[in-house]
Amino acid sequence: EDKVVQSPLSLVVHEGDTVTLNCSYEVTNFRSLLWYKQEKKAPTFLFMLTSSGIEKKSGRLSSILDKKELFSILNITATQTGDSAIYLCAVAAQGAQKLVFGQGTRLTINP
Amino acid sequence: NAGVTQTPKFRILKIGQSMTLQCTQDMNHNYMYWYRQDPGMGLKLIYYSVGAGITDKGEVPNGYNVSRSTTEDFPLRLELAAPSQTSVYFCASSPIDRLSGNTIYFGEGSWLTVV
Repeated sequence: EDKVVQSPLSLVVHEGDTVTLNCSYEVTNFRSLLWYKQEKKAPTFLFMLTSSGIEKKSGRLSSILDKKELFSILNITATQTGDSAIYLCAVAAQGAQKLVFGQGTRLTINP
Repeated sequence: NAGVTQTPKFRILKIGQSMTLQCTQDMNHNYMYWYRQDPGMGLKLIYYSVGAGITDKGEVPNGYNVSRSTTEDFPLRLELAAPSQTSVYFCASSPIDRLSGNTIYFGEGSWLTVV
């Protein structure tokens, strides 16, 4: 059974700190790993990763995938209160048009 | 563009009642999904459909039914509602394109409470 595990489940930091969120997975015929940010409503797409070692970057957010060790990290530098959200990791398998989600990391940024 | 539209946004049900969550998309996407998200948890797949007339179970299908008579609509039926079905429900859709990661389009969510 495909499985995605995120850690930590909850994280509280001060504005300006750097955080690292973790996602490990077990999936048959891995195709891609995706990160989403969820505030009050639906998840919004951040990154898709398919190749090991290639960093995806968008502003203060970056992510990298390790297909050998079956995990990904999401880094956020110089955090702001607007980064407070649930961050979801999801994995897609080859030939399967559906995503398996992890349980999410609830990130709280205090001013 | 409307995208994925879910109704209702909020609903309170009594134990044993039935209801249908409506979902419609105007992007001509073949793939549609229903997820539920319990407090503090990730999304769990209930049912999905790869095209009109075709549906399949996800991780947590018990207590739910779906149908897909048209490309646009993918309603989720709750029969005999139970407190364990208190959750936020997200409908989503995607095209066949397998190359782009941001191909999952989510609705705004439906908050359901069973008392």
